[in-house]
Amino acid sequence: DSGVTQTPKHLITATGQRVTLRCSPRSGDLSVYWYQQSLDQGLQFLIQYYNGEERAKGNILERFSAQQFPDLHSELNLSSLELGDSALYFCASSVVGTSGANVLTFGAGSRLTVL
Amino acid sequence: AQTVTQSQPEMSVQEAETVTLSCTYDTSENNYYLFWYKQPPSRQMILVIRQEAYKQQNATENRFSVNFQKAAKSFSLKISDSQLGDTAMYFCAFMKLSNTGNQFYFGTGTSLTVIP
Repeated sequence: DSGVTQTPKHLITATGQRVTLRCSPRSGDLSVYWYQQSLDQGLQFLIQYYNGEERAKGNILERFSAQQFPDLHSELNLSSLELGDSALYFCASSVVGTSGANVLTFGAGSRLTVL
Repeated sequence: AQTVTQSQPEMSVQEAETVTLSCTYDTSENNYYLFWYKQPPSRQMILVIRQEAYKQQNATENRFSVNFQKAAKSFSLKISDSQLGDTAMYFCAFMKLSNTGNQFYFGTGTSLTVIP
């Protein structure tokens, strides 16, 4: 167990629908990151939050949105789903600054299938 | 901006042999961290090894070691005594330090197959 919890593990839905993926970061980590990984592809950075504020944005579609709540958990909302959105969505968390524990810790991922 | 390049999309190695995966990066930062992550068929992302840029000594974790060449901006991963369980996708990553949230940059990955 990495300490980063993602739910649901698997999700099957239809085109046009909306889903929410949830992430609880590792205890003490203030930064949360979302990545998308399609089959046999690399990691596509979507968005990063630090202590509730958006910190950096990557190749995130306008149909996607995210937020980080006061308790530091984060949600990624995917709407108007298309077949191409089928992927493994990772959440990861990290400590801040120059701590010797600097590392990016990944959750197990949420596997989304859009039919 | 930081970039990470892995120029070997696929590699293979015989069991018990040694293999080296290449990674180069581009940055203007002086202090940063570098990582290798492993993604086996289960698709879990697992940290293999970490290197702090201000440390000249190369990091080692059991059969895994790195060759960190800061001036050349090179960070290769050596796997000794390769095992079947080492079959995975390997990602090189660069971390830029920030007090408002460290930023990570990943390479495109190298798919390693260990042949029995």
